Amino acid sequence: DAGVIQSPRHEVTEMGQEVTLRCKPISGHNSLFWYRQTMMRGLELLIYFNNNVPIDDSGMPEDRFSAKMPNASFSTLKIQPSEPRDSAVYFCASNPGTSGRGRNEQYFGPGTRLTVT
Amino acid sequence: AQKITQTQPGMFVQEKEAVTLDCTYDTSDQSYGLFWYKQPSSGEMIFLIYQGSYDEQNATEGRYSLNFQKARKSANLVISASQLGDSAMYFCAMSLSPFTGGGNKLTFGTGTQLKVEL
Repeated sequence: DAGVIQSPRHEVTEMGQEVTLRCKPISGHNSLFWYRQTMMRGLELLIYFNNNVPIDDSGMPEDRFSAKMPNASFSTLKIQPSEPRDSAVYFCASNPGTSGRGRNEQYFGPGTRLTVT
Repeated sequence: AQKITQTQPGMFVQEKEAVTLDCTYDTSDQSYGLFWYKQPSSGEMIFLIYQGSYDEQNATEGRYSLNFQKARKSANLVISASQLGDSAMYFCAMSLSPFTGGGNKLTFGTGTQLKVEL
């Protein structure tokens, strides 16, 4: 399996521009998670989906952030308008769902390093 | 709400020695899962090991083992026979209700930077 795929790997944009991050989860996984990692705040969950439905978006910082999952194999995280404080590494992760052992580890993509100038 | 505490910002260990990375957690739930992830300098997050709250035995995965002490709410990671490639940031994480599977979010600690020296 190719693992979780994220694009782009690096994004540099100017303040006020729209940014779209993309994620393809592992095939067959039914949950998808978006995380943000910064030095100040560490790793924090932004939103997660279960069977393409948003379950918990309480971590989305403000209305400038939105996420969609139109089908089981694709999700986007959009920031509009972007601000310098949005600079971070954004990870997408997917979860294999219920298993016999009850474990539910998440598999992470390589991340998108976003820099907003 | 659950909380993960990693009190060691940085650790050093000599190659081939064992090292323990500390993790304590706080939750009022009885059903939860504990995880360790490795983040090398290249930035990816690599799953290492899992422990369910009802698992009676400590989890092991190769050179990694999890020292689970439920009463003390600790889930320390033990790396045996350290290698230079083990140098990385290590994160402890927790999710609730492992038996329901899928859709469970992870709460992460602040991480421990491990440096393996010759």
